[in-house]
Amino acid sequence: TQLLEQSPQFLSIQEGENLTVYCNSSSVFSSLQWYRQEPGEGPVLLVTVVTGGEVKKLKRLTFQFGDARKDSSLHITAAQPGDTGLYLCAAEGPDNAGNMLTFGGGTRLMVKP
Amino acid sequence: NAGVTQTPKFRILKIGQSMTLQCAQDMNHNYMYWYRQDPGMGLKLIYYSVGAGITDKGEVPNGYNVSRSTTEDFPLRLELAAPSQTSVYFCASSYSRRVGEKLFFGSGTQLSVL
Repeated sequence: TQLLEQSPQFLSIQEGENLTVYCNSSSVFSSLQWYRQEPGEGPVLLVTVVTGGEVKKLKRLTFQFGDARKDSSLHITAAQPGDTGLYLCAAEGPDNAGNMLTFGGGTRLMVKP
Repeated sequence: NAGVTQTPKFRILKIGQSMTLQCAQDMNHNYMYWYRQDPGMGLKLIYYSVGAGITDKGEVPNGYNVSRSTTEDFPLRLELAAPSQTSVYFCASSYSRRVGEKLFFGSGTQLSVL
């Protein structure tokens, strides 16, 4: 099973600041998904990227898939307290049993008002 | 639609006890999954099912059993609970396993084994 490393693990910033979260692996992905999880709830899908170099935008969130499909980043512009949560990347690839999703360890974001 | 429903929300077990975590989905999804999430860690796949009557092991299946008698239900059984099984358990479902298919998650069961 491929290993996904997310960085940073924790991030505490002030409202209005920008931030970037990274998801890296030594393996090539078939696709990569970003999920957001709030306390006491399950993860909720934000975006899926499948093409190397692909960039997707969701309001103030910008997701990028690396050209070699081994890494991805999530950039948040002008963070809001409502962005607080656990951000998880998840990838599927030929190294995973049954082509199931492998999750990274997560980045816990706190945005202070 | 209720989506994916998990019960119970919280449970405390003594070492050696058994219990079943319930999971049901009303979206007619073929694929269902059980993940566990340890503090500060990502989700690890325990078991998955591609349809009624078919189950397979994930990354961390030891100490768990599953069954899939209907499309809707996918219970997870702990036979002899151990402290290492203290975790938050998430059930998820998806319509298929096409590349990039979205997973729908339940709200989790927080289990403590003391």
